Amino acid sequence: GENVEQHPSTLSVQEGDSAVIKCTYSDSASNYFPWYKQELGKRPQLIIDIRSNVGEKKDQRIAVTLNKTAKHFSLHITETQPEDSAVYFCAATRPGYALNFGKGTSLLVTP
Amino acid sequence: DGGITQSPKYLFRKEGQNVTLSCEQNLNHDAMYWYRQDPGQGLRLIYYSQIVNDFQKGDIAEGYSVSREKKESFPLTVTSAQKNPTAFYLCASSTDRGIHNEQFFGPGTRLTVL
Repeated sequence: GENVEQHPSTLSVQEGDSAVIKCTYSDSASNYFPWYKQELGKRPQLIIDIRSNVGEKKDQRIAVTLNKTAKHFSLHITETQPEDSAVYFCAATRPGYALNFGKGTSLLVTP
Repeated sequence: DGGITQSPKYLFRKEGQNVTLSCEQNLNHDAMYWYRQDPGQGLRLIYYSQIVNDFQKGDIAEGYSVSREKKESFPLTVTSAQKNPTAFYLCASSTDRGIHNEQFFGPGTRLTVL
């Protein structure tokens, strides 16, 4: 499938700081961009998503921005807390309603 | 969390054996998916199905097979042709009635080849 590149692969921040994770995609037909959080040994869970007709979406401390022209989207977490520590995956749609996932970002929030 | 289940949670297989991973959902979702997760590799698509009795190969289908005889069930068989099957397997489902929607994941099956 088409690639989704995700950076950085690891990210360490202090509690209260902001964290930003960036993804780029190659399929211009992609129109839905979810972000998943996965804690160790658990299933991925959706934390926020955005559709191609929207440039930004916010939900409390979490926001996602989308630049369709540049084919990139980003996750912003403000006022980070230790419980935000997890692996975060971005994804973009591909033909057939499946998703292409990035390789993940391991976020560590230190008190 | 509820609504999509996978069994078993842990599975051990000897080389040369076929094994079948179960995935069941009661969310009335039309679409179901199988992903494989390896450390540092993200989730890679094995197979997906948008409707009963129909399914398509994903990016890494070689050595795997699926069936979709019922809307609720999408079992994955890991055959002896899969050379490196040790991984964490995740099943997911979604509504996808004309637009993309959230994929809900099962708890996963960790397969280890002995």
